[in-house]
Amino acid sequence: DIVMTQSPDSLAVSLGDRATINCKSSQSVLRSSNKHALAWYQQHPGQPPKLLIYWASTRKSGVPDRFSGSGSGTEFTLTITGLQAEDVAVYYCQQYHAIPNTFGGGTKVEI
Amino acid sequence: EVQLLESGGGLVQPGGSLRLSCAASGFTFSNYAMSWVRQAPGKGLEWVSAITGDGGATFYADSVKGRFTISRDNSENIVSLQMHSLTVEDTARYHCVREGEGAGAGFFDPWGQGTLVTVSS
Repeated sequence: DIVMTQSPDSLAVSLGDRATINCKSSQSVLRSSNKHALAWYQQHPGQPPKLLIYWASTRKSGVPDRFSGSGSGTEFTLTITGLQAEDVAVYYCQQYHAIPNTFGGGTKVEI
Repeated sequence: EVQLLESGGGLVQPGGSLRLSCAASGFTFSNYAMSWVRQAPGKGLEWVSAITGDGGATFYADSVKGRFTISRDNSENIVSLQMHSLTVEDTARYHCVREGEGAGAGFFDPWGQGTLVTVSS
C-alpha cells in the first residue's frame, strides 16, 4: 500500500498569514498521463470532507483561490494564502494512484 | 444538485451484520464509480470499498475483504454495502462518495453526510 505522511499534525496560523501543509507518498503517484493522482480535502467539525484540489494542483470549481496545491514525485504541498477564520479545519491528502486509495493522517489548522 | 444520502447505520453486536445504502441523485449514476469511506470517532479517513460504474468490478480494503460486499443498482441509483462479522474496529461513520469523472479519477466528490455504525456489546 502507498503510505501517505502528512506534516505537521497541527498548525497555528494568524489570520491573513500563510499555512503550508506537506504530504509525502511512499512511492510515486504519477500517472502515465503525466498527472499526479493526489487530492486534498478540508473537513470542518461534524461535517464530511470536501474536495479542494485534485490532480495535485487543479482547484475544484468554487474553491477560493487562496487554496493552492503543488508538488511532484512524492512530495506535495497545500498552501492557504491569507488564512481566513473559515479555513480552520482538518486537511487531508489522498492518493488515488493505486488501490487501496490511502489518506494522510490529517493536519489540523488553527488560528 | 448532486446528493448522496446514506442510511442503514445503527448499533450492532460484535459478529453481527448490517446493510448500508446510499441513494444518489442529481447526476447520471451509472457513469460514476462509487466508494465507501469510513471515519472512526476522532480518527482519520479510511477507504473501504469501491465499485465501477457498471458494477462489473469491485475493490476492497484488506481490513474488510471477505466480510463486506459492495453492490449497486443503476436502475434505482443506489449503492449498498453489506457488512458481516462486524468487530469493534468497524465502528465508524460510513460515507458514500462519488469518484471523479473519467478513468482513474479516483478522487472523491461529493461526500454524503454519512451513517454511523457502532459495534458494541
